[in-house]
Amino acid sequence: DVKVTQSSRYLVKRTGEKVFLECVQDMDHENMFWYRQDPGLGLRLIYFSYDVKMKEKGDIPEGYSVSREKKERFSLILESASTNQTSMYLCASSPFTRAPYNEQFFGPGTRLTVL
Amino acid sequence: AQSVSQHNHHVILSEAASLELGCNYSYGGTVNLFWYVQYPGQHLQLLLKYFSGDPLVKGIKGFEAEFIKSKFSFNLRKPSVQWSDTAEYFCAVTAGYGNKLVFGAGTILRVKS
Repeated sequence: DVKVTQSSRYLVKRTGEKVFLECVQDMDHENMFWYRQDPGLGLRLIYFSYDVKMKEKGDIPEGYSVSREKKERFSLILESASTNQTSMYLCASSPFTRAPYNEQFFGPGTRLTVL
Repeated sequence: AQSVSQHNHHVILSEAASLELGCNYSYGGTVNLFWYVQYPGQHLQLLLKYFSGDPLVKGIKGFEAEFIKSKFSFNLRKPSVQWSDTAEYFCAVTAGYGNKLVFGAGTILRVKS
C-alpha cells in the first residue's frame, strides 16, 4: 500500500515567517507533486519533481519554492508567508513508467493558516 | 492550456436518488480523464479513469463515467446514491503522456439519509 505522509495536519504561522511543509512517500516513486486546494478552485499544481534535485514549476509557483534532496522526500517552502497562502496543501507521488499515465497517490494534506 | 469545468459546486440528494455530475474539458488532442473523490477527513483517492477503449468506464463503489469525445465530456453517474457517498468529487484531465493533472473546481455532494 502506497503511503504518502505530510509532516503536519494543521499549521498556524505569522505573516513573514518562513514555512516548511514536508512530504515523504514510501513506494520509491520518481514523481512528486505539491498542490494547493481552495474552495471553488479545486486543486492547483504549485511545483513538481521527476527526480532528485529536479523541479519544475506548476501553474501557481509564485511565492513558493521546493527542495528534493532525497527520492522519498519533497519539501515545499514558503519563503515569506502571506495571508493569501492560507490554504490546504496536498502532496502526491506517482511512479514513472512508459504508461500514458500513472495514478497519483495523495497525502492527507496540511491545513496552513497564515495570520 | 487545458481546463476542466464542473457544472455544479454543491449537490444535495436523498438516498436512492440517481446522481450525475457534469465535467467538461478543453483540449483537442488525446486526453486521459479521471474522477477523484475526497471523503470527509480522508485522502483524495481515485474513483475511476479513462485512457482509451470502451468509453463507459466503471469504478469503485458502483460509480461509472462516460467519455463523449464529441462533447468533450466525462460525466460521473451512480444509479442510487447512499449516505456514505457524501464527499467532494473532482474531475481531472491530463493530455497525452503527461503526468500533470488539471483539476476541476470540485462538486460537494451531500446525501440526506
